[in-house]
Amino acid sequence: GNSVTQMEGPVTLSEEAFLTINCTYTATGYPSLFWYVQYPGEGLQLLLKATKADDKGSNKGFEATYRKETTSFHLEKGSVQVSDSAVYFCALSESTNQAGTALIFGKGTTLSVSS
Amino acid sequence: DGGITQSPKYLFRKEGQNVTLSCEQNLNHDAMYWYRQDPGQGLRLIYYSQIVNDFQKGDIAEGYSVSREKKESFPLTVTSAQKNPTAFYLCASRWTARNTEAFFGQGTRLTVV
Repeated sequence: GNSVTQMEGPVTLSEEAFLTINCTYTATGYPSLFWYVQYPGEGLQLLLKATKADDKGSNKGFEATYRKETTSFHLEKGSVQVSDSAVYFCALSESTNQAGTALIFGKGTTLSVSS
Repeated sequence: DGGITQSPKYLFRKEGQNVTLSCEQNLNHDAMYWYRQDPGQGLRLIYYSQIVNDFQKGDIAEGYSVSREKKESFPLTVTSAQKNPTAFYLCASRWTARNTEAFFGQGTRLTVV
């Protein structure tokens, strides 16, 4: 079945460091891919998305490129801030429109940024 | 503003009691979902509904029940049969068309006392 695998955390960085959180997926067809962010005690917010191969999603300095050849969607940011400390989830949406499809999530990666 | 509202934010349950978590959306989404979040386990799907008066079990439905009498509402009942109900519960909704993202509520933290 379809699945998402994220690098395990926690990831601890100093402010202004470069961030990479790896995400790989297993899916049939052509899924859409998402990154969500969750701040403590809150729900998930969409950070960025990509709907087809080679698409690049970007938002708030974060980027991720849909790589079909490596089945990956790694999240990157050139210079992290303390306010980026959160849990990041990679997710996919199956490409079929069958009733009953839900987003499939990775286990989440905790990012902690210190000043 | 459009969005998803979950209530209450915090809920305490005595052992043996049923409790109901509310989820309301005004985004006109067809599909609604309930996820359970435990530390280190990501999000696990409890139930989902694609249309009114229809719903399907997810991966961990045992001990839970839902209803979908209105498009806007998808309440979750945690029954006494759920042996370990303490968790963070998240409701989400989306259009059923392909490639669409899900929108999430702020969550309900349920604690058994």
